[in-house]
Amino acid sequence: EAGVTQSPTHLIKTRGQQATLRCSPISGHTSVYWYQQALGLGLQFLLWYDEGEERNRGNFPPRFSGRQFPNYSSELNVNALELEDSALYLCASSLSRLASLPNSPLHFGNGTRLTVT
Amino acid sequence: GDSVTQMEGPVTLSEEAFLTINCTYTATGYPSLFWYVQYPGEGLQLLLKATKADDKGSNKGFEATYRKETTSFHLEKGSVQVSDSAVYFCALSDRTGGFKTIFGAGTRLFVKA
Repeated sequence: EAGVTQSPTHLIKTRGQQATLRCSPISGHTSVYWYQQALGLGLQFLLWYDEGEERNRGNFPPRFSGRQFPNYSSELNVNALELEDSALYLCASSLSRLASLPNSPLHFGNGTRLTVT
Repeated sequence: GDSVTQMEGPVTLSEEAFLTINCTYTATGYPSLFWYVQYPGEGLQLLLKATKADDKGSNKGFEATYRKETTSFHLEKGSVQVSDSAVYFCALSDRTGGFKTIFGAGTRLFVKA
């Protein structure tokens, strides 16, 4: 079974630009989560999508946005990049938590390393 | 809101030593608890989980017991190996918290041969 795949592996942008990160979940998983892992810090929850809709978001400004496509893959967009957006962005998928599976564990990709200069 | 607190690292042990990584949580509901591990250069992977009080999760020699009375989920291993060197994250998932999984800050473990 293919795992969660993220692209690109690395992304270098300059301040003010936009970044687009992509994630393909494990087949059969409809929940997709995005986390930010800044250097030396834990994982900060960004966004949760399930069944094509945004279900919850963390304490991040509106310039962090995303979407989930009909095939359950997902995109994270970061507009007006700032230096402090430099981090590892992790995508995770799980069986649908809406379908009464709130305890299903997360399966993570290897992340996209975003560097803002 | 929900939160997870785990002991600060790094933790450095010799091979075959006993490991404990403390984790406590606060939650508005009745959460499920998890330990995830991140090996160098890899993504996070589930190590073990427990979904109700007094449940014991176990995997690869690691164990953790869901203690509702002390709101704790400490990770233990009787004899660590060099290959256990990684960052360990305690996490919770709570229906009343909107199903998002909240992670602790992570504890880095170094095991010396």
